Amino acid sequence: GQNIDQPTEMTATEGAIVQINCTYQTSGFNGLFWYQQHAGEAPTFLSYNVLDGLEEKGRFSSFLSRSKGYSYLLLKELQMKDSASYLCAVSNNAGNNRKLIWGLGTSLAVNP
Amino acid sequence: DAGVIQSPRHEVTEMGQEVTLRCKPISGHNSLFWYRQTMMRGLELLIYFNNNVPIDDSGMPEDRFSAKMPNASFSTLKIQPSEPRDSAVYFCASTTSTYEQYFGPGTRLTVT
Repeated sequence: GQNIDQPTEMTATEGAIVQINCTYQTSGFNGLFWYQQHAGEAPTFLSYNVLDGLEEKGRFSSFLSRSKGYSYLLLKELQMKDSASYLCAVSNNAGNNRKLIWGLGTSLAVNP
Repeated sequence: DAGVIQSPRHEVTEMGQEVTLRCKPISGHNSLFWYRQTMMRGLELLIYFNNNVPIDDSGMPEDRFSAKMPNASFSTLKIQPSEPRDSAVYFCASTTSTYEQYFGPGTRLTVT
């Protein structure tokens, strides 16, 4: 079957670094996405990985290992505004099919 | 750009009533997604259109749910009759690529 696992909750301190892990088991793989969702708001796109390795974008980085079915989102220099849910999603369809399989999200609380 | 527009933002209705949710995708986007989000089940894809044609409706819970996209700038999701278990936040998203999906603000539906 199709499965995406990520921790339910995490807590970190302002200014610190936090790593949110995501493991996936899907019938195919055509890319992995991370989205951020603040409480009461819509998800917004953070990153996309289709090849192995690290993609860096400012304070946020995302890593992918296709052989291990594993990804992580790394948040540096945490700020209070980073308190949100972080959703991992996988595209398991080739070509032009844009359907994603979503994890349940990791709720991150950043404390002062 | 105005982004994805959804209406209404909040809907409270009684069990058995018909509910119609509306979505206007970003101009030029050719894919549209309807999602449902609950605490227990996370973000679930209900149906996905490409160029106004339904591509994948495997997530539509049952015959009470139907979706249409009569043109490139408008889509509806209808629930008839509604039930308390349909209470959730319903998101519409659009995209023109295999990468980022742009989400609307969502409709919070409460069925009593």
